[in-house]
Amino acid sequence: GQQLNQSPQSMFIQEGEDVSMNCTSSSIFNTWLWYKQEPGEGPVLLIALYKAGELTSNGRLTAQFGITRKDSFLNISASIPSDVGIYFCAGRGNAGGTSYGKLTFGQGTILTVHP
Amino acid sequence: NAGVTQTPKFQVLKTGQSMTLQCAQDMNHEYMSWYRQDPGMGLRLIHYSVGAGITDQGEVPNGYNVSRSTTEDFPLRLLSAAPSQTSVYFCASSHRTSGGLGGQFFGPGTRLTVL
Repeated sequence: GQQLNQSPQSMFIQEGEDVSMNCTSSSIFNTWLWYKQEPGEGPVLLIALYKAGELTSNGRLTAQFGITRKDSFLNISASIPSDVGIYFCAGRGNAGGTSYGKLTFGQGTILTVHP
Repeated sequence: NAGVTQTPKFQVLKTGQSMTLQCAQDMNHEYMSWYRQDPGMGLRLIHYSVGAGITDQGEVPNGYNVSRSTTEDFPLRLLSAAPSQTSVYFCASSHRTSGGLGGQFFGPGTRLTVL
């Protein structure tokens, strides 16, 4: 089946530093999504990418949909303590098809920010 | 809107017991999914549904049943609980069409322990 490799597995950074994480896939996805999960909660969508090459920002977060459709990255600039959490990438199939409701998730990147 | 709701929040079962995890959404989403989350493995898809009366298997369906009699509800049944099913279970929903779609919305999770 489809697999997503997310790296790094964990990051320990100082407040104010920039963060970069990425996901690579063995298969093509038509949508890439980035989620953040805090302890005891479900994942919350941060950024959705719908076109190959697309670069999208949400505040201090920037994500890109790789041109090959097999990868994506997420950058966080000027990190703050509340950025702490687990970040997941996820890939999704074609809109309208039966695979559209299926997400394949990466293993997650655990981010720790030291004040 | 309440979004995606899950009950119970916590559950402890003995091996061999059966139970149903409830999931409901009030956003009129066509797509609903169940995931389990285990340490270091991200979220893995158990079953999903593209509409009332239609369900399909995900990556790890064994030991679980689902049904989708209404658009709003998507219960997950454990027929005979096993310790390997100790996990955190998330329900998610999304619209079928891509217009205005912001990815899947997740519930708060059910933390299940099987002794």
